Amino acid sequence: KNEVEQSPQNLTAQEGEFITINCSYSVGISALHWLQQHPGGGIVSLFMLSSGKKKHGRLIATINIQEKHSSLHITASHPRDSAVYICAVSNSQGAQKLVFGQGTRLTINP
Amino acid sequence: KAGVTQTPRYLIKTRGQQVTLSCSPISGHRSVSWYQQTPGQGLQFLFEYFSETQRNKGNFPGRFSGRQFSNSRSEMNVSTLELGDSALYLCASRWRGARGTGELFFGEGSRLTVL
Repeated sequence: KNEVEQSPQNLTAQEGEFITINCSYSVGISALHWLQQHPGGGIVSLFMLSSGKKKHGRLIATINIQEKHSSLHITASHPRDSAVYICAVSNSQGAQKLVFGQGTRLTINP
Repeated sequence: KAGVTQTPRYLIKTRGQQVTLSCSPISGHRSVSWYQQTPGQGLQFLFEYFSETQRNKGNFPGRFSGRQFSNSRSEMNVSTLELGDSALYLCASRWRGARGTGELFFGEGSRLTVL
């Protein structure tokens, strides 16, 4: 079993829908990252969080440390949100030794 | 300020050769980490450098090595290339200090094809 599991692996939705991507992990962590990767490869860090909830525009990330679970929400989804979303955790021993989930491929249709 | 710069962006090598990739971090960032991304294995951590010292290393063979210079620029080297080394190699920089670490900023990656 992978240390970081994401669900779903693929998600297709219509423009305007509310999107939720889930991430569960099995190791102790110092921080959890949500990353976005568009075709072509470039990765953008969306959130880094160790507790609670963060919001940036239409994106919201939450984490429950006790349940070892995080969610990424996208409100009023748009075709430009189509990308691969990756959850990664920094384990307790090494701040930058990231362990990655397998990614969620999101497609938003107009 | 300028982002993380990786060079070269694309390269093709043959089995047995070696390759050196370069990463220039955001000004002021002293921590640089490297990652390999393949369709089969996804993203995997290679190593992290901070203040010219390797701080963490992933589960990769000794053919993969790196270093960091006094200006925080980093290079990674892969020797005796194998077909399975074909991948997108990404580096990321971040601020790191006694009070903690900042968010990661990724470069566009170097896409290596081994023939």
